[in-house]
Amino acid sequence: EAAVTQSPRNKVTVTGGNVTLSCRQTNSHNYMYWYRQDTGHGLRLIHYSYGAGNLQIGDVPDGYKATRTTQEDFFLLLELASPSQTSLYFCASSDAEGASAETLYFGSGTRLTVL
Amino acid sequence: GDQVEQSPSALSLHEGTDSALRCNFTTTMRSVQWFRQNSRGSLISLFYLASGTKENGRLKSAFDSKERRYSTLHIRDAQLEDSGTYFCAAGLQGTGSKLSFGKGAKLTVSP
Repeated sequence: EAAVTQSPRNKVTVTGGNVTLSCRQTNSHNYMYWYRQDTGHGLRLIHYSYGAGNLQIGDVPDGYKATRTTQEDFFLLLELASPSQTSLYFCASSDAEGASAETLYFGSGTRLTVL
Repeated sequence: GDQVEQSPSALSLHEGTDSALRCNFTTTMRSVQWFRQNSRGSLISLFYLASGTKENGRLKSAFDSKERRYSTLHIRDAQLEDSGTYFCAAGLQGTGSKLSFGKGAKLTVSP
């Protein structure tokens, strides 16, 4: 069973604050993703990566940076947080090959509030 | 614009009834996935389809193999534990593993 762990579960910061969301997957998946979920929008892709050191821009990247330090670890960085970034953030991973290729496995989410 | 349109956006069922959710795509898609989000916010993968149909218990999903522009999720004999928000996500040809999500369909099953 794929395991994707996000931390923290909840985070509150102020406008202009610096926030790092962490994600670790333990199934040697190639792809990792960061999504945000907002009412009326579903899930929207922020950034994704297909391996350590790689970064691809998603559909809503403005205001976010990301870094894939190892195959297991993918971080989302908000260097100047704004209230519009208040959201529920999900990390996910998927494999590139095999029977379950492209199936997304999600973490439990991080609820971020920017005051 | 939105590439994935889900319908209905909300649905109420009584236990034991059948229903279907649908996703329409504005362009040809390579694959589709269906997810359920429970009340705690957890997202669980239900199906991945590159074509045809898949069935798991009371759930069955189909992906139009000809034009690849819609998918359905059928729920048979709905149970209380089926309640949640269902999302479809589709992958465009040539975009690797990048997916576009629908806005979700909230299903409420009542006794």
